[in-house]
Amino acid sequence: GNSVTQMEGPVTLSEEAFLTINCTYTATGYPSLFWYVQYPGEGLQLLLKATKADDKGSNKGFEATYRKETTSFHLEKGSVQVSDSAVYFCALSDLLGYQKVTFGIGTKLQVIP
Amino acid sequence: DTAVSQTPKYLVTQMGNDKSIKCEQNLGHDTMYWYKQDSKKFLKIMFSYNNKELIINETVPNRFSPKSPDKAHLNLHINSLELGDSAVYFCASSQDGGLSGELFFGEGSRLTVL
Repeated sequence: GNSVTQMEGPVTLSEEAFLTINCTYTATGYPSLFWYVQYPGEGLQLLLKATKADDKGSNKGFEATYRKETTSFHLEKGSVQVSDSAVYFCALSDLLGYQKVTFGIGTKLQVIP
Repeated sequence: DTAVSQTPKYLVTQMGNDKSIKCEQNLGHDTMYWYKQDSKKFLKIMFSYNNKELIINETVPNRFSPKSPDKAHLNLHINSLELGDSAVYFCASSQDGGLSGELFFGEGSRLTVL
């Protein structure tokens, strides 16, 4: 079956530091990959996505590249801000897993001034 | 105007009680979901409905019963509540049955069972 593995948090960084949150996946088909973000007290919202190999998704300074050879979709940001403090979820959807989006465990990011 | 709205936002109740959580989406989406998020933030799908038809029913105790009166609503009823049911329950919707992976989530309903 499909699965998503992401690094466990929490991750604590100083403002303006470089962020990487690792994500790898297992899928039986040809998945699309996503990062969702959950701010405190809110629901998840889509941050970025990539639908095929070598695609790069980007939004709000965050980037992730779909690497089929390493089955990875690591999230990066060059300079984090306090407002980026949230829980980040890697996810995939697969044509073979119709109507089911599989999420990773979530990685909590805390950015301190 | 909230796209996916859930009520109540907070629910505190005793073991053994029955409770319901309601969800409505005004996005015109065909598919709706219920997810459970535990205290460690792990997110697990429970149910999915497409045009009022049950599509996904994960390994969930039959004390949990979803009901979809129309494609804009998906309610969750829980019988005989147990301590382990304490969690945040998220409703979500999607336009294309999740094929694009883009889900729109409500703000969550925090259930505490005492």
